[in-house]
Amino acid sequence: QKEVEQDPGPLSVPEGAIVSLNCTYSNSAFQYFMWYRQYSRKGPELLMYTYSSGNKEDGRFTAQVDKSSKYISLFIRDSQPSDSATYLCAIPDWANNLFFGTGTRLTVIP
Amino acid sequence: NAGVTQTPKFRILKIGQSMTLQCAQDMNHNYMYWYRQDPGMGLKLIYYSVGAGITDKGEVPNGYNVSRSTTEDFPLRLELAAPSQTSVYFCASSPDSLLEKLFFGSGTQLSVL
Repeated sequence: QKEVEQDPGPLSVPEGAIVSLNCTYSNSAFQYFMWYRQYSRKGPELLMYTYSSGNKEDGRFTAQVDKSSKYISLFIRDSQPSDSATYLCAIPDWANNLFFGTGTRLTVIP
Repeated sequence: NAGVTQTPKFRILKIGQSMTLQCAQDMNHNYMYWYRQDPGMGLKLIYYSVGAGITDKGEVPNGYNVSRSTTEDFPLRLELAAPSQTSVYFCASSPDSLLEKLFFGSGTQLSVL
């Protein structure tokens, strides 16, 4: 079983839609959860990180963690064409190994 | 600030050739990493370094070598290139803890034919 699994998409939505991106993980000991955004032909950049359960909001972005289900989500409100990118979840273990999801490619259509 | 700089951006190798992918950071970060990204497979750690003179294997080190003689530079060496090494390679750096922000370079797209 992979440490982190991510819906592969691709996902195509109209501008202004609410987007939901999701990952599941296998190890209940994981504590930190990260979301990276990767534009085409660029390296990933950290978008948000959260600790333990609950929600964290940053502008139009909300990261949600459900530790009971081992499920993490990233919501994008009022999606914009500039949000078109690949989104990767990433989870570090206690030894600082960072497990990445395979990424979900999102296209926001104007 | 340049951040993390990788060269070259693109390269085509023939099977059996060798090459070095260059990575330099100007943020005085102790930790540096090499990842490869294959379609549908996510990012896999090849090697990492926690400081000058210290390197360690990641998840997929076979066929690669690294060195870290300075804080700034972390080159990745491919010996006897194979088609399985066709991938996009990313170098990254971070301050002392991985839980801090991880900065990635723009990548090197390598094809082995």
